[in-house]
Amino acid sequence: GAVVSQHPSRVICKSGTSVKIECRSLDFQATTMFWYRQFPKQSLMLMATSNEGSKATYEQGVEKDKFLINHASLTLSTLTVTSAHPEDSSFYICSARDSGGAQETQYFGPGTRLLVL
Amino acid sequence: GQSLEQPSEVTAVEGAIVQINCTYQTSGFYGLSWYQQHDGGAPTFLSYNALDGLEETGRFSSFLSRSDSYGYLLLQELQMKDSASYFCAVRDEDTDKLIFGTGTRLQVFP
Repeated sequence: GAVVSQHPSRVICKSGTSVKIECRSLDFQATTMFWYRQFPKQSLMLMATSNEGSKATYEQGVEKDKFLINHASLTLSTLTVTSAHPEDSSFYICSARDSGGAQETQYFGPGTRLLVL
Repeated sequence: GQSLEQPSEVTAVEGAIVQINCTYQTSGFYGLSWYQQHDGGAPTFLSYNALDGLEETGRFSSFLSRSDSYGYLLLQELQMKDSASYFCAVRDEDTDKLIFGTGTRLQVFP
C-alpha cells in the first residue's frame, strides 16, 4: 500500500525554539495533506489542511502563526512549530490523500512525538 | 460540524467477540470508516461503510445505519494483538476532512 513518511519520529527541544516536521508521500502524489495532533489517550484532532501550492486552512482555535505549514510539492508538506512551549508537547501525525485514489484512500504517517522542555 | 461518540474503554478475553459502537451527529458525510491505532503508532485503516449494512473483512466487520446515526465495529476471535485504540471517522461532505470519533481503548486479556 501507499506509504507516508514523517521525519523526525521523535524530537526534544527547549522552550522557545522552533521545530520542523516533514511529511512525505513516498509513492503517490498528494494535492492535499492533513496535520493532526493527538494528546495522550485522546483522539486525533485535525489542525489544518495543507494544500499544494496554496495556503493551508486551519481549524478553529489553531494559531496559523504558531503552526506554519508549507506544501511546496505534491509529495512534501512541512509543519513548523514556532516558539514551542511545553503545552505544544504532543504526537503530531500527518496524513495524505492519494490524488488518483478512491474516495477513502487516506494514508497516515508514523507520527512525530514532540517534547518541549 | 461533526461529532462522533464512542465508549472510552472496552475489555474482553481472547477468543471472544466485542462490539465497539459509534454514534454520531453530522451534517452530511460520505461514509463511516474505522481505524486501529496501537500505542505510539499511526492509525491504520480497517473498514469503510459507504452504505447502510454490514461489511465483513476477515475477523472484523463494520455496520452502518444512517437512519439511526449509528455504526459499530465487530471484532471476532479476539487476539492479544487486537489490544489497541479504535476510532470511527467520517469524511465531511462539505469540507472533505476526515473527522475522528472520541476513540475506544480495547484491552484483550488472556
